[in-house]
Amino acid sequence: DIQLTQSPSFLSASVGDRVTITCRASQAISSYLAWYQQEPGKAPKLLIYAASILQNGVPSRFSGSGSGTEFTLTISSLQPEDFATYYCQHLYSNVYTFGQGTKLEIK
Amino acid sequence: EVQLLESGGGSVQPGGSLRLSCAASGFTFNIHAMSWVRQAPGGGLQWVSTISARGVTTFSADSVKGRFTISRDNSKSTLYLQLNSLRAADTAVYYCAKMSTSPLSFEHWGQGTPVTVSS
Repeated sequence: DIQLTQSPSFLSASVGDRVTITCRASQAISSYLAWYQQEPGKAPKLLIYAASILQNGVPSRFSGSGSGTEFTLTISSLQPEDFATYYCQHLYSNVYTFGQGTKLEIK
Repeated sequence: EVQLLESGGGSVQPGGSLRLSCAASGFTFNIHAMSWVRQAPGGGLQWVSTISARGVTTFSADSVKGRFTISRDNSKSTLYLQLNSLRAADTAVYYCAKMSTSPLSFEHWGQGTPVTVSS
């Protein structure tokens, strides 16, 4: 099965900072990658699909890039509501693995 | 507005069974694949199982194969997950998710239903 490794697992940043989260796949998955945001006690929310397409209603400060085995999620200017946990997920084969998550905390 | 409402969670002893339901509304249910995802306390997201739009094809994580069964009733716009031979490691919040058609993603999520397996 394809494994996804996110880095870092924890990230401390301030409002206004630019942050980048990386997701590496154990084998090439083309652009079959999605990113989700999960706030404490809430269901996950789709941010980006097909590696770089922003879901309707998601602020433009979020962006995704990459293909093959390396992907990134970038938040250009952190807002208070962005402090949450972020997960990548591959949809390349019929085992839709998630990364282990990156918890973004306020510095 | 898309709505996914899970129910059926609860507390059960090891070896027991539960059936989770996910009532869908606000979209054409029978053209979308659907999935279940779980999250153990303090843990990350784990994909559990997916079913095709017409219910012909299913696939599941190795950790639940042979114990959990995903199904759907398109006439009722409802997704199910039958959980058998439950173990402590199955304790989690179980979410249902509507999948986009193409490109694939887990487009909308329910609020989750908790399952606790304990003696």
